[in-house]
Amino acid sequence: DAGITQSPRHKVTETGTPVTLRCHQTENHRYMYWYRQDPGHGLRLIHYSYGVKDTDKGEVSDGYSVSRSKTEDFLLTLESATSSQTSVYFCAISKGGGTEAFFGQGTRLTVV
Amino acid sequence: QKEVEQNSGPLSVPEGAIASLNCTYSDRGSQSFFWYRQYSGKSPELIMSIYSNGDKEDGRFTAQLNKASQYVSLLIRDSQPSDSATYLCADFFGNEKLTFGTGTRLTIIP
Repeated sequence: DAGITQSPRHKVTETGTPVTLRCHQTENHRYMYWYRQDPGHGLRLIHYSYGVKDTDKGEVSDGYSVSRSKTEDFLLTLESATSSQTSVYFCAISKGGGTEAFFGQGTRLTVV
Repeated sequence: QKEVEQNSGPLSVPEGAIASLNCTYSDRGSQSFFWYRQYSGKSPELIMSIYSNGDKEDGRFTAQLNKASQYVSLLIRDSQPSDSATYLCADFFGNEKLTFGTGTRLTIIP
């Protein structure tokens, strides 16, 4: 497996609380991605990063922010969690734009 | 319109037969295409990548790309029960955003 670690693996949180998910890689890959996966919707891109401090929005970015202060870490923050953000979140990395991407184990987030 | 479209299935194929999975994409500029396999409760696993028109074979898997018609397909020969999973097609939209279809659930019937 590519060196990608997501933490936490499971989290239950209350509506309105902030939540931060972490993706850590040991591959020194330039691109990192955050996806959410929901039944009937497949994998939807939330945000991605193409370098340290370089990020851009995906198709479902509302309610989420990201930060990448160093190559190996990409953080996803839900500023004020809502029940609609209950989902499985996946991080992925790729060496460059257009190249093969590899996924972390996922984080199951439940907002109650 | 989603950038990558897949028939969501489910698709059932007898063991030993050929499973055929199809995907269309909207961005004519896309250069990279991927097939991922995802078992229930697990993360997506890359099984094939294809960048040029034509066929690419890897063991029992063959990916086919037709850029003129904007479709990419995956053939699984000699299907096994262990091939039962959801298969996700993906392309790099704008060469930066890795975009997925909704996936096709495949069941191999023993």
